[in-house]
This record gives sequence, C-alpha cells and structure tokens, in this order.
Amino acid sequence: DIVMTQSPDSLAVSLGERATINCKSSQSVLHSSDNRNYLGWYQQKPGQPPKLLIYWASTRQSGVPDRFSGSGSRTDFTLTISSLQAEDVAVYHCMQYYSIPYTFGQGTKLEIK
Amino acid sequence: EVQLVESGGGLVQPGGSLRLSCVASGFTFSSYWMTWVRQAPGKGLEWVANTEGSGSAKNYVDSVKGRFTISRDNAKESLYLQMNSLRVEDTAVYYCARTLLEGYDLWGQGTLVTVSS
Repeated sequence: DIVMTQSPDSLAVSLGERATINCKSSQSVLHSSDNRNYLGWYQQKPGQPPKLLIYWASTRQSGVPDRFSGSGSRTDFTLTISSLQAEDVAVYHCMQYYSIPYTFGQGTKLEIK
Repeated sequence: EVQLVESGGGLVQPGGSLRLSCVASGFTFSSYWMTWVRQAPGKGLEWVANTEGSGSAKNYVDSVKGRFTISRDNAKESLYLQMNSLRVEDTAVYYCARTLLEGYDLWGQGTLVTVSS
C-alpha cells in the first residue's frame, strides 16, 4: 500500500499570512500513461464531510477560491493557502488515487494564530 | 438537489452485523463509481471500498475483505455496505462519496457505527 505522510500535524497561521502543508507518498503517484499525479487535497471543517479542493495535484475544483493552490510531483506535494482567511480553519487531507487501496494522509489541522 | 444521504449506523456488539445505506438524488446514479470512506473518532480518513456503475467491479481495503460487501441498486439509486463480523476497530463515521477519476466530488453527511460491548 502507498503510505501518505503529511507535515506538520498541526499549523497555526495569522490571518492574511501564507499556510503551507506538505504531503509525501511512499512511492511515486505520477502515472506514465497520462503524465498526471494521482493526488488530491480535501478540506474538512468540524462536523462536516470532506470537500474536494485540488485534484491531479494542482487543479482547483470548481468554486474553490484561487488562494488555494497545489504543487508537486511524484512523491512530494504541497498545498498552499496564499492568504489565510478565518473560514479556512479546517483539517486538510491529501489522498492518492494511483493504486488501490487508495490512501489518505493523517491530516493536518490548520488554526488561526 | 444533488445529494447523498446515509443511514443505518448505530451501536452493535463485536461480531455483529449492520447494513449501511446511501440514497442518491439529483444525478444519474448509475453513471458513477461510488465509494465508502470511514473516519474513526478523532482520526484520519480511510478508504474502505468502491464499486463501478453497474456494480460488477468492486474493490476493498484488506482490513475489511471477507467481512464487508459493497453493493448497489441503481433502480433505487442506492449504495449499500453490508458489514459482518464487526470489530471494535470498525467504529467510525462512514461516508459514501460520488467518485470521479480525479476524486470524490460529492459526499454524504455520514453515519456513525459504534462497535462496543
């Protein structure tokens, strides 16, 4: 199974500042057939189900604010929030959908400093 | 309205069984793969099982193989998870999710399964 490891486990950032969350996979999730990274990011607010933010490592889901961006390739990925807003307080999960069983990182809790 | 609504969770003793349901509305259910994802209290997300539109293809995480069965009834626009031989470690909120190649774009609110004596 592909192991997904996020860092840090928790993060406190001031409003308007940049937040960066990292995700590392135990093997490459770059598919040679289509040159896509099978990596997504989800946001989960308290008491709610997850919400898809980013797919193919860097494509924003429709309706997601452009302050959210994803980058990286093969085994190392980053979710960046360029200017933190109060409504961004949540747990963020990365997930690989390269091979079954699909696996998630342990989650990163983002709070306001 | 496009939505997924889960039901069927509850308290069950170890070794017991439960059947979860997920009713879809607002989209062509049979056109989509569907997935069950669970989240133990205070923990991260775990992919459990998925099934393609006709229900013929199914995949499971190893920890539930032989105990859980995913199925669907497209006429009823419903997804199911039959859970047998339940263990304490199966305690979690179970979510159903509409599945695209690129991820899960629609989730239900979840149903809580508690396995305890």
